[in-house]
Amino acid sequence: AQSVSQHNHHVILSEAASLELGCNYSYGGTVNLFWYVQYPGQHLQLLLKYFSGDPLVKGIKGFEAEFIKSKFSFNLRKPSVQWSDTAEYFCAGLDYGGSQGNLIFGKGTKLSVKP
Amino acid sequence: DAGVTQSPTHLIKTRGQQVTLRCSPKSGHDTVSWYQQALGQGPQFIFQYYEEEERQRGNFPDRFSGHQFPNYSSELNVNALLLGDSALYLCASSYRVTQETQYFGPGTRLLVL
Repeated sequence: AQSVSQHNHHVILSEAASLELGCNYSYGGTVNLFWYVQYPGQHLQLLLKYFSGDPLVKGIKGFEAEFIKSKFSFNLRKPSVQWSDTAEYFCAGLDYGGSQGNLIFGKGTKLSVKP
Repeated sequence: DAGVTQSPTHLIKTRGQQVTLRCSPKSGHDTVSWYQQALGQGPQFIFQYYEEEERQRGNFPDRFSGHQFPNYSSELNVNALLLGDSALYLCASSYRVTQETQYFGPGTRLLVL
């Protein structure tokens, strides 16, 4: 079955530390991957997406992710986190099982940034 | 440009009752997907509507049903509520092309007592 997994449940960092959140997917064929963020009390927002082309994808707020096909990975990175990055981060893949695509989400990684 | 809107924001029901949640897609979008997000979990796909028909369905029982109206808005109905149905229900909209990004609404938080 197609799946997306996030191995870090809760990550705690100090401001200015570097961030890398892991995401692995397990399906073949067309691979479209996303990172969404859910700030406390807010709705899911798209950080970045990979459809094709350059495997290094840059998103909003200084985030980037690298698609590594050989490792089935799409890790999220940020060189220097801020307190305002405290949120839950979800990796998702687009499942083309039907005529339209639906998203398969990982369980999420909660990021806490200490000021 | 209005984003995805959902109503109500919160809802409390008791076991066995029925509930209807509503969603209006982002302007220009014609496809609506519903997701259930249990506490501490990622969203799980319930079903997707396009051209007023259910196009895809996730692993949810028939107690979960939906509808899409000609103006692309959508409803999610859940019958015979169980305690385990307590969750945040998210609506996402997109344009018909499958590679389009899905935009999420704020969700409806349902508590079943």
